Amino acid sequence: IAGITQAPTSQILAAGRRMTLRCTQDMRHNAMYWYRQDLGLGLRLIHYSNTAGTTGKGEVPDGYSVSRANTDDFPLTLASAVPSQTSVYFCASSEVPGNTIYFGEGSWLTVV
Amino acid sequence: AQSVTQLGSHVSVSEGALVLLRCNYSSSVPPYLFWYVQYPNQGLQLLLKYTSAATLVKGINGFEAEFKKSETSFHLTKPSAHMSDAAEYFCAVSDRSSNTGKLIFGQGTTLQVKP
Repeated sequence: IAGITQAPTSQILAAGRRMTLRCTQDMRHNAMYWYRQDLGLGLRLIHYSNTAGTTGKGEVPDGYSVSRANTDDFPLTLASAVPSQTSVYFCASSEVPGNTIYFGEGSWLTVV
Repeated sequence: AQSVTQLGSHVSVSEGALVLLRCNYSSSVPPYLFWYVQYPNQGLQLLLKYTSAATLVKGINGFEAEFKKSETSFHLTKPSAHMSDAAEYFCAVSDRSSNTGKLIFGQGTTLQVKP
């Protein structure tokens, strides 16, 4: 089934370590997004990319970086993880910015 | 700037009863509005969306929502709740004031369905 694949599904990470969450979509969507979900806060945008080669900052970008070398992949990197980055991370995509956004299954990250 | 408020973080209904989940939005431009559902340990699935066509929008699983500009609301309803409807529901507005295309989410409402 076509869609968005995230890896890893879950991870426990020591504080201070570097971590990359992978995201691949096979729908040839132009726009991709990374959200984090925290209890009581809903989903908040970390970074986005409207098209390959471009990225932008969302609401909560500090401590995270992204790259968009091609249409399909949009990895999210935590350079030096901190406990406050414990969250569920969702990668998402849309055909063009403003169209319906489709979500991956999420990556559960615990920083200890 | 756009924002979304979901009234009630937790709603409990009996099986067969009406489901009403409330969402109010704020937007400086005509909004695109969405409802997503999230089942435990899963990603978000689109229920329905409003993009300035018909104000009554029908979605999957018997849900519908009505866009009311005068009330700045987009409440989600279902005439008869099923046990399988138990999940978390998110209302969202598309940020059309910028070119990000991002969604701005409400805090979510957990729907409990009692037998």
